[in-house]
Amino acid sequence: AQSVTQPDIHITVSEGASLELRCNYSYGATPYLFWYVQSPGQGLQLLLKYFSGDTLVQGIKGFEAEFKRSQSSFNLRKPSVHWSDAAEYFCAVGATGGSYIPTFGRGTSLIVHP
Amino acid sequence: GAVVSQHPSRVICKSGTSVKIECRSLDFQATTMFWYRQFPKQSLMLMATSNEGSKATYEQGVEKDKFLINHASLTLSTLTVTSAHPEDSSFYICSARDPRRGGDTGELFFGEGSRLTVL
Repeated sequence: AQSVTQPDIHITVSEGASLELRCNYSYGATPYLFWYVQSPGQGLQLLLKYFSGDTLVQGIKGFEAEFKRSQSSFNLRKPSVHWSDAAEYFCAVGATGGSYIPTFGRGTSLIVHP
Repeated sequence: GAVVSQHPSRVICKSGTSVKIECRSLDFQATTMFWYRQFPKQSLMLMATSNEGSKATYEQGVEKDKFLINHASLTLSTLTVTSAHPEDSSFYICSARDPRRGGDTGELFFGEGSRLTVL
């Protein structure tokens, strides 16, 4: 079974600073990987996804993530954070050829200081 | 993108009453929908998989008699919390796969969530 680890519960950055949120996964084959964002009291919105091909994927709102098979990681990055990026971020892994029910990490809460 | 709508967004009820939450796929047909529960500052806990025209599949530890799931059509799944108690207070989120878009990859489209408060 697949699993996802988001080692950081909280991340605090200043507005305009760069951001990297970490995600490590465990899965025996090439996974499908996702990053979702959740604003307070809202559902989840897909930021980006990796299925195959180019390991650097671009998403919405200026986010990108890089799939590194050797490190089993799929870290989310943004070069310059805006105050509106403050939210909860979830990494998820979907199994290939299986039940395709994704497994979510516990989430990382992003706090943005002005 | 695919749109999933959830209603109501907030509901307050008295202990012992039942509450129904609806989840609709607005622009696609969803044979499968998923219901999650989220505690404050925690991740999503999958409660059950809702299957159109058949019984829902519940995750271990989830009481099927407490959380009734009905998937009567290809665009609607409902979660009914029966005889609700304060410990059932939580944020409930539904999601669905869009078979036209990443349906077999695990990509999900989420509703807005429903905040249930049981007094």
